[in-house]
Amino acid sequence: GQQLNQSPQSMFIQEGEDVSMNCTSSSIFNTWLWYKQEPGEGPVLLIALYKAGELTSNGRLTAQFGITRKDSFLNISASIPSDVGIYFCAGQLVDSNSGYALNFGKGTSLLVTP
Amino acid sequence: GEEVAQTPKHLVRGEGQKAKLYCAPIKGHSYVFWYQQVLKNEFKFLISFQNENVFDETGMPKERFSAKCLPNSPCSLEIQATKLEDSAVYFCASTPSGGARRTDTQYFGPGTRLTVL
Repeated sequence: GQQLNQSPQSMFIQEGEDVSMNCTSSSIFNTWLWYKQEPGEGPVLLIALYKAGELTSNGRLTAQFGITRKDSFLNISASIPSDVGIYFCAGQLVDSNSGYALNFGKGTSLLVTP
Repeated sequence: GEEVAQTPKHLVRGEGQKAKLYCAPIKGHSYVFWYQQVLKNEFKFLISFQNENVFDETGMPKERFSAKCLPNSPCSLEIQATKLEDSAVYFCASTPSGGARRTDTQYFGPGTRLTVL
C-alpha cells in the first residue's frame, strides 16, 4: 500500500480555534476519507468524499477532495475539548483492478486546551 | 451485530508463541479487511476477504501470518511463531460490498493489542 503525506503531525490549540490539516498523495484516488481515532479504539469515519472538487460538511467539520485527486483537507471550526484525538486521512482507489484497501496517512494528533 | 467485534482486546505472547485474533463483521457485510497499526500510528493493510474467499492478500507477510473467514464463524488472523516486531494493534474492518459501491465505507472494530515479549 501507499503511505500518504499528512500534516501537521500534531497540533496544540486553544478551545474555540479553527484547525486545518491536509493530506497529499503521489497517485490519484477516487475516494478520500477522514477518520478520528481515540485512545484504545478503532478509527471512526467522519467524512467521506467521492468526487474531485467535492466539499462536504459534517457539523463543525468540513473536508474537500482536491481537484487533482491527489489531496484532501479537513477543517474543524470552533474546536472543543472533545475534538481531542488523532485524525487520519485515507485514500481509496475503487476500480476493477484494485483491492479496495485503504491507504492511510500517519495521522494528526490534536490537543485542545479549555 | 451492528458493530464490528474483535476479540480478545489484549493479547500477550512470548516470542515464538502463536497468536490468534478474531473478528466478527457487521451482520450483512460481505467484506472483511485486516490492518496492522504499529506504534508510530502507521496503518498497514494485511488482507481482505469477500465472504470466505481471499480477496486481496498483497499486504500479508509471506511467512507466519495466515487468515480465514469461514461460514458462520468469526474471521481469524493467526500469527505463528510471533516476533517482537509483530507487537501492534490489529484492526478488522467490514463493508457491505468492499467499495464496489461508492458509498461503501469501512467500519472498524476496536482492535486487538498484541504484545510480544
